[in-house]
Amino acid sequence: EPEVTQTPSHQVTQMGQEVILRCVPISNHLYFYWYRQILGQKVEFLVSFYNNEISEKSEIFDDQFSVERPDGSNFTLKIRSTKLEDSAMYFCASSVGQGASSPLHFGNGTRLTVT
Amino acid sequence: GESVGLHLPTLSVQEGDNSIINCAYSNSASDYFIWYKQESGKGPQFIIDIRSNMDKRQGQRVTVLLNKTVKHLSLQIAATQPGDSAVYFCAENGNDYKLSFGAGTTVTVRA
Repeated sequence: EPEVTQTPSHQVTQMGQEVILRCVPISNHLYFYWYRQILGQKVEFLVSFYNNEISEKSEIFDDQFSVERPDGSNFTLKIRSTKLEDSAMYFCASSVGQGASSPLHFGNGTRLTVT
Repeated sequence: GESVGLHLPTLSVQEGDNSIINCAYSNSASDYFIWYKQESGKGPQFIIDIRSNMDKRQGQRVTVLLNKTVKHLSLQIAATQPGDSAVYFCAENGNDYKLSFGAGTTVTVRA
């Protein structure tokens, strides 16, 4: 069964450094997403991406965050200057369509630790 | 505002028994609901979904019930197995097309 893959599985970085989290969505999916989960908390929406542009973003997704689809297969999340509170699991997801009957399929996440 | 929540943070169930996990939501405009299972170290895994024009949907060993009158969603797992131990999240998809997740219920299956 096709799956969303994320790399790396764990990223440790120092505060103020830039990180890029990488994702390969399922190949025939058109919508891409980033969510995050702080330890012990619920999964939170960050951003959705369609047709090479952001379709929606949350309050969390401020100017420090950016997303890109640099080629036909990768989807990346960049955090420009990491803060301690950015430490979390970051999940990439993709879906065929949007809304009802188009469930999101998630990767296994990248655990980001900011020290 | 919108919120999706689960009634109980933990559920302990005997292997072979049925499990019922509950979820309350507040956005009456939500038209699509999904249950996800999250095992340790993994991402949320799709279990079953239901559209708001239905009140019940069955899958393999799982049933989702939707009561729009009281804004309540439940997941029933038949004959719970050790592999069902995980955190279960309900999620709703409102008219803004992004998923809102509940806080999760940790299900522990006792042998």
